[in-house]
Amino acid sequence: QKEVEQNSGPLSVPEGAIASLNCTYSDRGSQSFFWYRQYSGKSPELIMFIYSNGDKEDGRFTAQLNKASQYVSLLIRDSQPSDSATYLCAVNQNNNDMRFGAGTRLTVKP
Amino acid sequence: DGGITQSPKYLFRKEGQNVTLSCEQNLNHDAMYWYRQDPGQGLRLIYYSQIVNDFQKGDIAEGYSVSREKKESFPLTVTSAQKNPTAFYLCASSSPGLNTEAFFGQGTRLTVV
Repeated sequence: QKEVEQNSGPLSVPEGAIASLNCTYSDRGSQSFFWYRQYSGKSPELIMFIYSNGDKEDGRFTAQLNKASQYVSLLIRDSQPSDSATYLCAVNQNNNDMRFGAGTRLTVKP
Repeated sequence: DGGITQSPKYLFRKEGQNVTLSCEQNLNHDAMYWYRQDPGQGLRLIYYSQIVNDFQKGDIAEGYSVSREKKESFPLTVTSAQKNPTAFYLCASSSPGLNTEAFFGQGTRLTVV
């Protein structure tokens, strides 16, 4: 079982729609969770982080965490073509052991 | 400017040669990481280090070696034992603690011919 799992996609949504990205993790002791965006050929950049159960909103982005279900998600509202990228879920398992999922490729069509 | 510098950006090597990728950070971060990314794939952890002179293997450490002699530097050597070394290599660093993000360098694209 992979430690961090994501649907690889591709996920395609029309411009203005809500994109929903999902991630599950295996280490129940994981404490912190991160969403990164990666454009092709570039390094990942942080979008959001979340530590507590519930929702966290930042502009068009909302991260959701459910530790009981070992599930974290990212919602992107009013999706724009510039949001087209690969989204990586990262989990800090223990002692700075940071593990990433395989990423979900998102395409926003004009 | 504070950040992480990887060099070179592109690297070509002949099969069977060892090659060392550089990673330097001036963020005063204790933890440093090396990841490998293959086309269309996520990041796989090669090695990570929490403090100077200490490091741990990640999921795919075979064929790689690292050192952490200085806080600022975490070089990765890709040895001839690595069967398929062509990939995009990313170095990252973070502050101590669970609730801190990882900052990435620009990456090194290694091609072995």
